[in-house]
Amino acid sequence: GAGVSQSPSNKVTEKGKDVELRCDPISGHTALYWYRQSLGQGLEFLIYFQGNSAPDKSGLPSDRFSAERTGGSVSTLTIQRTQQEDSAVYLCASSYRTGGFGGELFFGEGSRLTVL
Amino acid sequence: GIQVEQSPPDLILQEGANSTLRCNFSDSVNNLQWFHQNPWGQLINLFYIPSGTKQNGRLSATTVATERYSLLYISSSQTTDSGVYFCAVTGGTSYGKLTFGQGTILTVHP
Repeated sequence: GAGVSQSPSNKVTEKGKDVELRCDPISGHTALYWYRQSLGQGLEFLIYFQGNSAPDKSGLPSDRFSAERTGGSVSTLTIQRTQQEDSAVYLCASSYRTGGFGGELFFGEGSRLTVL
Repeated sequence: GIQVEQSPPDLILQEGANSTLRCNFSDSVNNLQWFHQNPWGQLINLFYIPSGTKQNGRLSATTVATERYSLLYISSSQTTDSGVYFCAVTGGTSYGKLTFGQGTILTVHP
């Protein structure tokens, strides 16, 4: 597609349930990033993929959070046993990396997660 | 890791006024982007500007990498310019991940 696509756009779940969030990057972009934005806050880095590997997972807040990327394209962020503090907007971005430092990042519209 | 500070945190303008937003960063950078987050939460790319000056309509930006700051200029502001403006940088061995500032909340009144 023309831009980064994320689904679902909204997800309401009960505490303790697992959720999966999907990101479809811009075609041809090699790098993919997940960020989280809590209400009224800035953007918090979660994880970065180059191809299917994740050189930097430093932002994942706990072992309940995991992510994978297949075929160098679509990525899924999984949150197990959701907690109320997981409520946030989860944003995905992609870029075409040249050299070692990435390029311009483009963001999707986000998936808003509400944990009751 | 690299630190990013934006100022001012809040800015209120009358329509038609000009403004300057500032972004200071703590280390050398190889990527710097300015974003506008609209009221629906969408992050809109404004500039990709690790150095130099760029202009796009009423907006322009300048990055002085050697002095570790960037400026975003908004001229003849409009109510649709309201929202949060973020500066984000990549520096050192950060694998291209952007580190965001806390943003400047801009409100433009008619």
